[in-house]
Amino acid sequence: QKEVEQDPGPLSVPEGAIVSLNCTYSNSAFQYFMWYRQYSRKGPELLMYTYSSGNKEDGRFTAQVDKSSKYISLFIRDSQPSDSATYLCAIDYSGAGSYQLTFGKGTKLSVIP
Amino acid sequence: NAGVMQNPRHLVRRRGQEARLRCSPMKGHSHVYWYRQLPEEGLKFMVYLQKENIIDESGMPKERFSAEFPKEGPSILRIQQVVRGDSAAYFCASGPRGDYEQYFGPGTRLTVT
Repeated sequence: QKEVEQDPGPLSVPEGAIVSLNCTYSNSAFQYFMWYRQYSRKGPELLMYTYSSGNKEDGRFTAQVDKSSKYISLFIRDSQPSDSATYLCAIDYSGAGSYQLTFGKGTKLSVIP
Repeated sequence: NAGVMQNPRHLVRRRGQEARLRCSPMKGHSHVYWYRQLPEEGLKFMVYLQKENIIDESGMPKERFSAEFPKEGPSILRIQQVVRGDSAAYFCASGPRGDYEQYFGPGTRLTVT
């Protein structure tokens, strides 16, 4: 069963907090993991992608993958009100860099000034 | 550097009418994907196209839905004889290769009355 589970929230944090967003998945046969940010009534925006266990950092964002636990996370440091959006994880289940992404339902984040 | 363009942004159709959704990929991208986002649901893959070819339409409903990506012009997602259950946000994405790296447009929000 190809599934991606994501807590829908909503998640509300004060400005400057560290945010942790998480997804779990069921099928270990894949390699690529993506995080998208979607503002209200807009299209998803690709934030980061990674293909291995461990951490990948980009500015205030860190993506973490734990294949043994089938768990992926996105950390946002020094959160800003402009980070308020829905965050979607997406997984490529083919294990071969395929195009059929399986998305979580998204976690809605609000950063309060 | 224009991103993925979709039009119309909002489309209202009565039951039984046809809906045509258009997508122009990012410059330099020849791979186009369509996804549907139902209310309270995650993005679901529908179809993957290259110029003049449907590569994978395994996510498309068997009836009433079709897609094309002609040699010239935008990709078109066509829904014939729309029903209320077709009301959703339809997103187009494009990429430089046929893999996980996909960039989304702003979406077309279809409302069937």
